[in-house]
Amino acid sequence: NAGVTQTPKFRILKIGQSMTLQCAQDMNHNYMYWYRQDPGMGLKLIYYSVGAGITDKGEVPNGYNVSRSTTEDFPLRLELAAPSQTSVYFCATRGQINQPQHFGDGTRLSIL
Amino acid sequence: AQKITQTQPGMFVQEKEAVTLDCTYDTSDPSYGLFWYKQPSSGEMIFLIYQGSYDQQNATEGRYSLNFQKARKSANLVISASQLGDSAMYFCAILTSGTYKYIFGTGTRLKVLA
Repeated sequence: NAGVTQTPKFRILKIGQSMTLQCAQDMNHNYMYWYRQDPGMGLKLIYYSVGAGITDKGEVPNGYNVSRSTTEDFPLRLELAAPSQTSVYFCATRGQINQPQHFGDGTRLSIL
Repeated sequence: AQKITQTQPGMFVQEKEAVTLDCTYDTSDPSYGLFWYKQPSSGEMIFLIYQGSYDQQNATEGRYSLNFQKARKSANLVISASQLGDSAMYFCAILTSGTYKYIFGTGTRLKVLA
């Protein structure tokens, strides 16, 4: 049982490049989330989804886009990478409200 | 709006002793859940314990327990018999029934001393 799978685990981008961070889950959870964690800091919500076809902005959505065409997948797109987007990105899912989020292992992204 | 406050950026505890990590929250929603996560240096987020706002008893999970004081809006994590492997960042988070979004605190870095 894989749970939440994030790919890639590490990536270095040049300023202005674009890329997609992949997140896939096999738990049939409706709710999915993308967070970023800057060094020594907590998690900040970028985007979230309550089900296929439904997404909404979190605290820090600027510079990112998401889509949710299936229950399983929730990719995060960076269109024009900037150094301020250097961070660790976590994808998470959850089931019912009294259940915890399940996190992927994270993607460490550096933009130079 | 919901808010989580963790006022202890860093804590030290001697091995085998108990330690309390503070978490206060603010919400006007009567229905909410409080979560604690551990993040070791390897980076993964590990769920520790959950407390619902309507739960009558404090949550416990092994060596972890939650000192839930609803009137004071605090949900402090108590780790008993600390182990070296408990050294990590600890995050408190809240989810209210009126929103789908979790709000995380800034975390407390715990160091267990041998």
